[in-house]
Amino acid sequence: DSGVTQTPKHLITATGQRVTLRCSPRSGDLSVYWYQQSLDQGLQFLIQYYNGEERAKGNILERFSAQQFPDLHSELNLSSLELGDSALYFCASSRMGRPTDTQYFGPGTRLTVL
Amino acid sequence: DQQVKQNSPSLSVQEGRISILNCDYTNSMFDYFLWYKKYPAEGPTFLISISSIKDKNEDGRFTVFLNKSAKHLSLHIVPSQPGDSAVYFCAASARETSGSRLTFGEGTQLTVNP
Repeated sequence: DSGVTQTPKHLITATGQRVTLRCSPRSGDLSVYWYQQSLDQGLQFLIQYYNGEERAKGNILERFSAQQFPDLHSELNLSSLELGDSALYFCASSRMGRPTDTQYFGPGTRLTVL
Repeated sequence: DQQVKQNSPSLSVQEGRISILNCDYTNSMFDYFLWYKKYPAEGPTFLISISSIKDKNEDGRFTVFLNKSAKHLSLHIVPSQPGDSAVYFCAASARETSGSRLTFGEGTQLTVNP
């Protein structure tokens, strides 16, 4: 158990809908990251937050947004969902958000868009 | 552009023997490298890391070797155990002006046969 929690574990929804994925980092970690793992793309970095502020951005679609709250939990919002958004979404956390900090991953949320 | 590549999708070894997983990278800005292990329906689990100022790091049965001139790293598992059967991901990070992100390889499925 990494100490990173993600809810829900599974999510099934329809095209055009909007969903919110939630992540709680390990105790003491200030930085959270979101990654997407799809069948044909592998694990892809989406976005990083440190202590409530956005720090780094990957190939995150404009339909996707995220935020980190004062209690350090984070939410990833996916809107106008398409079939291709079906994937595993992982949250990770690290102590200070530095490149040499180890990132610890949660169990993931499996999103299925029908 | 795949900056981190794991050219072997799968590897099968006998219990007790050595497992060697390989990873190549193209981005010369990468200076911190990690290996993660992933079981089905779980998030990636951190195994071992190495900084670019080192060429070897050891932790129990796991050793990571880094050859900067060849932009190549490898993970050695000795002795291999059936419980090591999982997908192994190589990941890299680079110093950025702000924030951090991991770039992952495609993964190698390791099967350790009893």
